[in-house]
Amino acid sequence: NAGVMQNPRHLVRRRGQEARLRCSPMKGHSHVYWYRQLPEEGLKFMVYLQKENIIDESGMPKERFSAEFPKEGPSILRIQQVVRGDSAAYFCASSPGAVSGELFFGEGSRLTVL
Amino acid sequence: GNSVTQMEGPVTLSEEAFLTINCTYTATGYPSLFWYVQYPGEGLQLLLKATKADDKGSNKGFEATYRKETTSFHLEKGSVQVSDSAVYFCALSDLVGNEKLTFGTGTRLTIIP
Repeated sequence: NAGVMQNPRHLVRRRGQEARLRCSPMKGHSHVYWYRQLPEEGLKFMVYLQKENIIDESGMPKERFSAEFPKEGPSILRIQQVVRGDSAAYFCASSPGAVSGELFFGEGSRLTVL
Repeated sequence: GNSVTQMEGPVTLSEEAFLTINCTYTATGYPSLFWYVQYPGEGLQLLLKATKADDKGSNKGFEATYRKETTSFHLEKGSVQVSDSAVYFCALSDLVGNEKLTFGTGTRLTIIP
């Protein structure tokens, strides 16, 4: 029973390039959350998605960042024209949809911008 | 808005010592409270939770009690082991329509033999 799968685990980009981070939720989970962890800080909520819908994007920067969760395939967090300040660990979490009180986290994708 | 404040780290203890990591929160309404643990190189895992005042969450020897009067959810363990070395995050959720969590900054715990 695979857990939440994120790839790539590590990604290096130069300033101005695009970064795409993927997240496959646990089997049977239809709700996905993305969090960002800056060095020596806690996790900050970015966006909450259900299949084909963005439910809450109150934590997403207004520019350069976008997220999707298509009917088929993984959820994708896309960062255009990356800057050094985007360097962080990006965590995806999933839940089955019921308000169970537990999120299941992936191992994270660590983005380094040179 | 919601916020979580937890004890600054890092914390270093000897094996079998008593552990307390403080956590206080600010929230509207009646949130649920969580402790998550992050082992090196891994994602976060739920350690324990409490959904209403005076509830005690417990798991793997760790405990935390939801104290509404002091808005606190301190994590305790009577005798820590080297394998408990990790980063511990306190979090809350108002569970209003989704499970968006508000996290504290995390406390890095190191246990030395």
